[in-house]
Amino acid sequence: AQSVAQPEDQVNVAEGNPLTVKCTYSVSGNPYLFWYVQYPNRGLQFLLKYITGDNLVKGSYGFEAEFNKSQTSFHLKKPSALVSDSALYFCAVRVLTDSWGKLQFGAGTQVVVTP
Amino acid sequence: NAGVTQTPKFRVLKTGQSMTLLCAQDMNHEYMYWYRQDPGMGLRLIHYSVGEGTTAKGEVPDGYNVSRLKKQNFLLGLESAAPSQTSVYFCASRDGTDYGYTFGSGTRLTVV
Repeated sequence: AQSVAQPEDQVNVAEGNPLTVKCTYSVSGNPYLFWYVQYPNRGLQFLLKYITGDNLVKGSYGFEAEFNKSQTSFHLKKPSALVSDSALYFCAVRVLTDSWGKLQFGAGTQVVVTP
Repeated sequence: NAGVTQTPKFRVLKTGQSMTLLCAQDMNHEYMYWYRQDPGMGLRLIHYSVGEGTTAKGEVPDGYNVSRLKKQNFLLGLESAAPSQTSVYFCASRDGTDYGYTFGSGTRLTVV
């Protein structure tokens, strides 16, 4: 069975400081990894994905994530956080061999960026 | 605008009532999914569909039924609503040739 862990319920960071949101996964097989962001009372917005190739993936709004196969991690990073980055972030995994394309989500991490 | 549209956006039900949530996509996607979002639990898959007339159970299917009579529509039904079904429901669709998923804006359902 596949699973995704986001070990931090909430991450607090000051504006201008680096932001990291952690994600680890467990799957049988090669993973497709995704990050989504949810603003209050809104749907999920796609940030970035890792399918194959370069382990460093760049996405929307200045976010990037690094795929680390040995540590089974896919941490989301932003060099300089903005107050507008305050939102709920979800990591998700899909197994390559799952032709149905089912996504398994982590519990989510609330990011709070203070001015 | 192309995308996934969920109807209704909000609903309050009494225990035992029934209702249907509609998900409509205009991207000709084969795959469609229903998720529920609960605090501290992320999104959990209820049911999914891999084409017109084909549906399957996800992680938390109990108390829900689905139908996909037309390719563009994926309906989620609650036959007898329970307070435990209070949640935010999200629909998503995916093109089989793409790895990207498009999510709707959600339906906030409260069962009292």
